[in-house]
Amino acid sequence: DARVTQTPRHKVTEMGQEVTMRCQPILGHNTVFWYRQTMMQGLELLAYFRNRAPLDDSGMPKDRFSAEMPDATLATLKIQPSEPRDSAVYFCASGLLRQGRGTEAFFGQGTRLTVV
Amino acid sequence: AQTVTQSQPEMSVQEAETVTLSCTYDTSESDYYLFWYKQPPSRQMILVIRQEAYKQQNATENRFSVNFQKAAKSFSLKISDSQLGDAAMYFCAYRTPFQGGSEKLVFGKGTKLTVNP
Repeated sequence: DARVTQTPRHKVTEMGQEVTMRCQPILGHNTVFWYRQTMMQGLELLAYFRNRAPLDDSGMPKDRFSAEMPDATLATLKIQPSEPRDSAVYFCASGLLRQGRGTEAFFGQGTRLTVV
Repeated sequence: AQTVTQSQPEMSVQEAETVTLSCTYDTSESDYYLFWYKQPPSRQMILVIRQEAYKQQNATENRFSVNFQKAAKSFSLKISDSQLGDAAMYFCAYRTPFQGGSEKLVFGKGTKLTVNP
């Protein structure tokens, strides 16, 4: 049963601490997306990668957020230092680019981050 | 910029009845994709149905169907024979095909669907 796996499912941290969220995309998928969901803003794209190279990170606050793909089986989203306004659900999604059709995204279950 | 609007923050339906969720979008593109995602309390985002803008035929997946009106930029979701398991947040989303541009999904704010037994 292929699925996107995100860890941890829940994270509570204190303001100023570093937070790292991890994502294992579906095997064979070449595209990974990071979305953030908040009550106020809804679902927003933070960044996405194709073949491990960043294609669009315009939605990500550059001063504290960073996203990487150390290898094809792992994507990470790091926040340093974390702030209460970062509290949200962070979704990873993966997909396979199909010529002329783009990439259909399959979502993980999300990491609920609470910064106190 | 593309925008997606869901004008119904909440809807309710009786079990076994039919309900329609509304979605409108704004774009200057002629080719694009539209989606409905379901988010139950588990938080998992589940793809319910997709529509390719160049296809005139409305997409159907079992009890779920869409009414795609391209000229009106409207994309509503009809759920027939509603079941208790259909209770969830439903998000309408838009995406352009990959032609060198961003593939981000643009989401509406969602509609919370309650199914009454």
